[in-house]
Amino acid sequence: GAVVSQHPSWVICKSGTSVKIECRSLDFQATTMFWYRQFPKQSLMLMATSNEGSKATYEQGVEKDKFLINHASLTLSTLTVTSAHPEDSSFYICSAPGMSLYNEQFFGPGTRLTVL
Amino acid sequence: AQKITQTQPGMFVQEKEAVTLDCTYDTSDPSYGLFWYKQPSSGEMIFLIYQGSYDQQNATEGRYSLNFQKARKSANLVISASQLGDSAMYFCAMRERGGWGKLQFGAGTQVVVTP
Repeated sequence: GAVVSQHPSWVICKSGTSVKIECRSLDFQATTMFWYRQFPKQSLMLMATSNEGSKATYEQGVEKDKFLINHASLTLSTLTVTSAHPEDSSFYICSAPGMSLYNEQFFGPGTRLTVL
Repeated sequence: AQKITQTQPGMFVQEKEAVTLDCTYDTSDPSYGLFWYKQPSSGEMIFLIYQGSYDQQNATEGRYSLNFQKARKSANLVISASQLGDSAMYFCAMRERGGWGKLQFGAGTQVVVTP
């Protein structure tokens, strides 16, 4: 099956610093990837759609200057949380639609970000 | 407006019993797909089952089956013969044809299977 990896799996940083999270499709190419944020005991909230070779599409209410997305290749999308603050602490998950029977999205294992 | 509604925040079920997780949805798109994902405490999202809006039969995958009632706009997940490993958060999600592949998730239902 299609495999999506994320790195790092967890990160702790100081307030005001920037953090980059990588999302890779390991055995398939993904022209589109999705970035979600999940707070404890809550659902996944779509932040943005990452498009290879073009600008990301952000959901309403998501600050594009704070959450920078780059999709530089068909297998890699990165999310950079700039000037992170404690309220940015969350579980960040990426996904990519695979070439499967249902075109379901394959999810990465997630990255837990804690901002002190 | 909430497009996917899961009204059960949490459920206890005894091992070997069946459990039904409710999901209702709202869309005006005639072509859509409904998904169920399982999220254990580790955080990974595991795809369970899919139902297309034009599918005539209810989807089944092993111990998972989907009770699809199109007119009622409901897509309930049935887990038969529950196992301890089924304890997890379960999310219903919808993909609309006009949604550019995006998934919209419900709030989720926490299932705890007891011995």
